[in-house]
Amino acid sequence: TQLLEQSPQFLSIQEGENLTVYCNSSSVFSSLQWYRQEPGEGPVLLVTVVTGGEVKKLKRLTFQFGDARKDSSLHITAAQPGDTGLYLCAGVNNQGGKLIFGQGTELSVKP
Amino acid sequence: KAGVTQTPRYLIKTRGQQVTLSCSPISGHRSVSWYQQTPGQGLQFLFEYFSETQRNKGNFPGRFSGRQFSNSRSEMNVSTLELGDSALYLCASSRTGDYGYTFGSGTRLTVV
Repeated sequence: TQLLEQSPQFLSIQEGENLTVYCNSSSVFSSLQWYRQEPGEGPVLLVTVVTGGEVKKLKRLTFQFGDARKDSSLHITAAQPGDTGLYLCAGVNNQGGKLIFGQGTELSVKP
Repeated sequence: KAGVTQTPRYLIKTRGQQVTLSCSPISGHRSVSWYQQTPGQGLQFLFEYFSETQRNKGNFPGRFSGRQFSNSRSEMNVSTLELGDSALYLCASSRTGDYGYTFGSGTRLTVV
């Protein structure tokens, strides 16, 4: 069974601080995705990383895929209140068509 | 471009009843997958359909079933509802099912 462990589960920080969310597994994934979900809405895709060691940047967000394609991280620089939400990592298994989600990180950024 | 549409948005059912949820994918997307989201278990995969065929299935009891029509629209059915089935049910569509998933806003099911 493929599992993704995401940490931390909860994060409350002040505006302007930096943070990192981790997503780890003992399994290899063909790709890994990061989503952000607002209350009462579905997750919205932020980025997909495919190649081991890949780094992608989306404004103040930096995503990294581990060399062995088993882990990933999301780093946010100078967090803003608008970054508040549930961040989810999800691995795509080799069969495709199925996302395996981590438990999520509930981020709260206070002004 | 229209997104993924799920209906209804909210639903209240009584234990023992059955329910059908609907998902209309983005035009051109042939893969539709369903997920259950609860505070305790997070997002869990139910099943995925591609061109009317179930291609992947999660670890849910047989009370959970689905189907996909020729226009790629999908329905999910839950029979003999239990209190523990209360959750946000999300569907996601993708062109091929490998990546590029777009989620709908979900159906909030409450079983009383």
